[in-house]
Amino acid sequence: NAGVTQTPKFQVLKTGQSMTLQCAQDMNHEYMSWYRQDPGMGLRLIHYSVGAGITDQGEVPNGYNVSRSTTEDFPLRLLSAAPSQTSVYFCASSHRGSYSYEQYFGPGTRLTVT
Amino acid sequence: AQKITQTQPGMFVQEKEAVTLDCTYDTSDPSYGLFWYKQPSSGEMIFLIYQGSYDQQNATEGRYSLNFQKARKSANLVISASQLGDSAMYFCAMRVDRGSTLGRLYFGRGTQLTVWP
Repeated sequence: NAGVTQTPKFQVLKTGQSMTLQCAQDMNHEYMSWYRQDPGMGLRLIHYSVGAGITDQGEVPNGYNVSRSTTEDFPLRLLSAAPSQTSVYFCASSHRGSYSYEQYFGPGTRLTVT
Repeated sequence: AQKITQTQPGMFVQEKEAVTLDCTYDTSDPSYGLFWYKQPSSGEMIFLIYQGSYDQQNATEGRYSLNFQKARKSANLVISASQLGDSAMYFCAMRVDRGSTLGRLYFGRGTQLTVWP
């Protein structure tokens, strides 16, 4: 199993550009989440999904869109990039019914918006 | 509201010594889970240990143990016999068992641990 994969690993955008961060998991996990990590802030939830076709907002959803058309994929779209969205983005997945609902994290995407 | 507090931005420990990283949490839900993750300088998130709110015994995983004090709402991570490779950022996180929130974690701000020879 590849686990949780994210592409790209690094990205530089100009203010106002849009892009999609890709996330895929091959573990058939029901739950998937997107977090952003900023220095001194820990990880904060952007959006999450409890299954295909179902998404919900987290703590910091503004400026981001998600959709989940399949169990495997959970892309994160930046609609109009802003310097405040410079961050490291992590995708995670977990299995409903597991004892701990442990979240498996992807390797992260480092995004810089200039 | 759910909240995780890590009050130690940085900690230093000598190799082979034990170290405790503090974590307090706040939730009104009776069923929840607590996690510790390690993030080395390479950036990946590594799961270390888990404690459920109804678990009777404190969790242990090798050199890691979780000192769970439910009444005080604390879930401190204890690393015994520190190694140089333990130098990393450590995050405490909480899962709350309330329907659709099962798939998300609330994170603290992290503690940067440095192990010196």
